[in-house]
Amino acid sequence: AQKVTQAQTEISVVEKEDVTLDCVYETRDTTYYLFWYKQPPSGELVFLIRRNSFDEQNEISGRYSWNFQKSTSSFNFTITASQVVDSAVYFCALGLTGGGNKLTFGTGTQLKVEL
Amino acid sequence: DAGVTQSPTHLIKTRGQHVTLRCSPISGHKSVSWYQQVLGQGPQFIFQYYEKEERGRGNFPDRFSARQFPNYSSELNVNALLLGDSALYLCASSPSGDYNQPQHFGDGTRLSIL
Repeated sequence: AQKVTQAQTEISVVEKEDVTLDCVYETRDTTYYLFWYKQPPSGELVFLIRRNSFDEQNEISGRYSWNFQKSTSSFNFTITASQVVDSAVYFCALGLTGGGNKLTFGTGTQLKVEL
Repeated sequence: DAGVTQSPTHLIKTRGQHVTLRCSPISGHKSVSWYQQVLGQGPQFIFQYYEKEERGRGNFPDRFSARQFPNYSSELNVNALLLGDSALYLCASSPSGDYNQPQHFGDGTRLSIL
């Protein structure tokens, strides 16, 4: 069985602070994919990043960076110099190979960035 | 290009009724998936269709059914509605139906059961 845990239900920061959203996953498969999605109040899930289990390189995209560590089954997401527009619910998700593209989502972390 | 479009945006039904939700994928996308998102939770996988065939099914009762049409649009049907079916229903499309390309989600249909 697979599972994704996002232990932080809600995080509040002041604009320009750095913030890290935690994601821990469970799977017995050796090949899998990890994702982060952003959900603004409108409801649409916006794709941020995909990482496969064989690529442990960390990635940076502008103010966003991701730290994938197989040894701790974690795929954490850091926003540098947060902005009010970053306020949203962020979901981590796991996909297992074997046909299809089903995603198993965590419960999400609500990020509030205030002035 | 238009994104994934879902209709209706909002819907109110009563217990026991049935509902049909519709999804139009991004042009060129052949895979459509449906997810249910209860308030405060992450989306739960319901179905995936690729080239009009069911490719995956989540842990949902038989009251939930879906289909995909030749133009790759899709419908999700729910019969004998229960209060617990109140949720945001999200549709996602992707070109190939695997993980090589990410899924793109619509804004969802918010279903309320009275």
